[in-house]
Amino acid sequence: AQKVTQAQTEISVVEKEDVTLDCVYETRDTTYYLFWYKQPPSGELVFLIRRNSFDEQNEISGRYSWNFQKSTSSFNFTITASQVVDSAVYFCALSRGLTGGGNKLTFGTGTQLKVEL
Amino acid sequence: DAGVIQSPRHEVTEMGQEVTLRCKPISGHNSLFWYRQTMMRGLELLIYFNNNVPIDDSGMPEDRFSAKMPNASFSTLKIQPSEPRDSAVYFCASSFEGYGFPDTEAFFGQGTRLTVV
Repeated sequence: AQKVTQAQTEISVVEKEDVTLDCVYETRDTTYYLFWYKQPPSGELVFLIRRNSFDEQNEISGRYSWNFQKSTSSFNFTITASQVVDSAVYFCALSRGLTGGGNKLTFGTGTQLKVEL
Repeated sequence: DAGVIQSPRHEVTEMGQEVTLRCKPISGHNSLFWYRQTMMRGLELLIYFNNNVPIDDSGMPEDRFSAKMPNASFSTLKIQPSEPRDSAVYFCASSFEGYGFPDTEAFFGQGTRLTVV
């Protein structure tokens, strides 16, 4: 069975601080995708990133960066110089395979990030 | 592109009534997913369609729930009879799956907030 653990239920930071959201996953599959989604207070789910199990390269997109380590089954997400607009619930998710159901997602429980002035 | 469109955005109904949630996937996408979000269970996959055919309905909670996809541009999720514990946000998502290629990432609709009183 697949499982995604986001141990941090809630994180509060002051604007401009860096913050890392942790994600640990369990799967017996050799091929899979890992995802991060953002859910702002308005409620929609916004896709942030997808990485496949063969690509452990870290990725940076503006203030966002992701660290994928298969050795520790982790896919952590860092926001640099956080802003109030980053306040949201962030979900890590895991898929079954890369094709044919690559979006059948097992979600973690989410981390509520609050960025204050 | 208008994205995944769900209707209604909010639904309040009385226990025992039939409820139908609707979803229009992104044009050209051939896979569709229904997810449910509750405080107790988080985000969970209910059913997955590919090319209008239900592929995996193992997440459908019970016989009161049914989903259909009569064509590539429309899907419904029906609850009959509804119960207070069905109160949740229901998300529809769509993606494209091509033979031999990784699936595209899924894009989510804005969700339908269902309240059963």
